[in-house]
Amino acid sequence: EPEVTQTPSHQVTQMGQEVILRCVPISNHLYFYWYRQILGQKVEFLVSFYNNEISEKSEIFDDQFSVERPDGSNFTLKIRSTKLEDSAMYFCASSETGTGFYNEQFFGPGTRLTVL
Amino acid sequence: AQSVTQLDSQVPVFEEAPVELRCNYSSSVSVYLFWYVQYPNQGLQLLLKYLSGSTLVESINGFEAEFNKSQTSFHLRKPSVHISDTAEYFCAVSGRTGFQKLVFGTGTRLLVSP
Repeated sequence: EPEVTQTPSHQVTQMGQEVILRCVPISNHLYFYWYRQILGQKVEFLVSFYNNEISEKSEIFDDQFSVERPDGSNFTLKIRSTKLEDSAMYFCASSETGTGFYNEQFFGPGTRLTVL
Repeated sequence: AQSVTQLDSQVPVFEEAPVELRCNYSSSVSVYLFWYVQYPNQGLQLLLKYLSGSTLVESINGFEAEFNKSQTSFHLRKPSVHISDTAEYFCAVSGRTGFQKLVFGTGTRLLVSP
């Protein structure tokens, strides 16, 4: 069964460093998403991406964050200069389409980011 | 904008007992409603969803949830739980138009013991 994969499963970094979290969405999906969950808090929407453009982003997704689909399979989230408060579990999701009638989002297992 | 409230952070229950995980939502527009489950070290899996029609929806592993518009609730129930149901359960909503980002609750950890 096709699934969304994410690497690494756990990333530890120093404050101020850049990190790139990687996701491989399901191959025929066209819409991609990043969510994050700070320990003990809600899963929060960060950004959605379609046709090589951001389609929607939350107020969390500031200039420190960027997303990219560098090739036909990967979808990345970059944090330019990490802060302590960026420590969280980051989930990637993909869906076949994104608007119109309901489109199920399939989630990856997450990357736990720890900023020291 | 939408919001979701899951009042119970943890629900301990004995095997074969019934369980209800509560979810209330707030929205100014019509929504889709979901329950996701997360087993240890795994991603979020869709457990069941309410899109339209019958307000009672069921999953293949015995869970059910009922959409109650007047109470803005979507509680999850199972008449008899198994040890393997131990997991984190997230209630979520999305709008019905535009890019359907999910808005999640804080999750409820279901702990089933023998």
